[in-house]
Amino acid sequence: AAGVIQSPRHLIKEKRETATLKCYPIPRHDTVYWYQQGPGQDPQFLISFYEKMQSDKGSIPDRFSAQQFSDYHSELNMSSLELGDSALYFCASSLWRWEGMNTEAFFGQGTRLTVV
Amino acid sequence: AQTVTQSQPEMSVQEAETVTLSCTYDTSESDYYLFWYKQPPSRQMILVIRQEAYKQQNATENRFSVNFQKAAKSFSLKISDSQLGDAAMYFCAYRSKISYNTDKLIFGTGTRLQVFP
Repeated sequence: AAGVIQSPRHLIKEKRETATLKCYPIPRHDTVYWYQQGPGQDPQFLISFYEKMQSDKGSIPDRFSAQQFSDYHSELNMSSLELGDSALYFCASSLWRWEGMNTEAFFGQGTRLTVV
Repeated sequence: AQTVTQSQPEMSVQEAETVTLSCTYDTSESDYYLFWYKQPPSRQMILVIRQEAYKQQNATENRFSVNFQKAAKSFSLKISDSQLGDAAMYFCAYRSKISYNTDKLIFGTGTRLQVFP
C-alpha cells in the first residue's frame, strides 16, 4: 500500500538559508499535518491542512510557511534558518470524515534537517 | 486545551515478560481518539494501537493491548511476551473528533522502552 512520501530525507543548510520540505500524502487522504521533532523530544505540531486549506496552526515560527497544492501534496518552507531549526520534520496524512469516522494519521519517514 | 502526560521516561523489561506503559490525558471532550505510536531508532513513527473513546471495549492488536479508563482519563499500553524488536520510544497521543480545524495529534513526552535478553 502507498505510504506518505517525504523528500528530501536529509538536508543540510547553512544559517540564514532557506529550505523547502515536500510531503506527498497517501492517495485520497484529505488532511496533512506537519510536525517538528527535536533530538530527544516529542513531536511538536506545526500546521495542518484540510482539503488544501489551512485548518489548524501550532507552534510554527513566522519564518516558516506551508501550503497544500491542488494535487494534495504539501510543502513546508523555512526561511532564515537558525541552528535551533535542526530537527526531524514529519509529515502525516489522514482522512477526515464529517461524520467523525476519521482514520488514524500515517507518518512519513521524516526529513532530517541539519542547520550548520 | 488537551494535554497528554507520560510519567515514565524510561522502562525496561526482560524478553518474554510483560510491561505496561502509562499515559494520562486531560480533555473536556466526550469523544476522541487515543493512540500509541512506536518510534524505533530509525525514528519512523509507527502506529501500534488505537482506541475510540466511545467504545468501552479495550483495543487489542496481537501482543499489544490497552487499558482504557475513560473516567480516570487513563490509557495504558500492555506489551505481552516482549521481544527485542519492541525496544523503542513509545508515544501516547490524543486526537480530537470535533472538527477538522482542531484535528491534530497531541503527543505525550514519550517512554523509552528497553528490552533485555
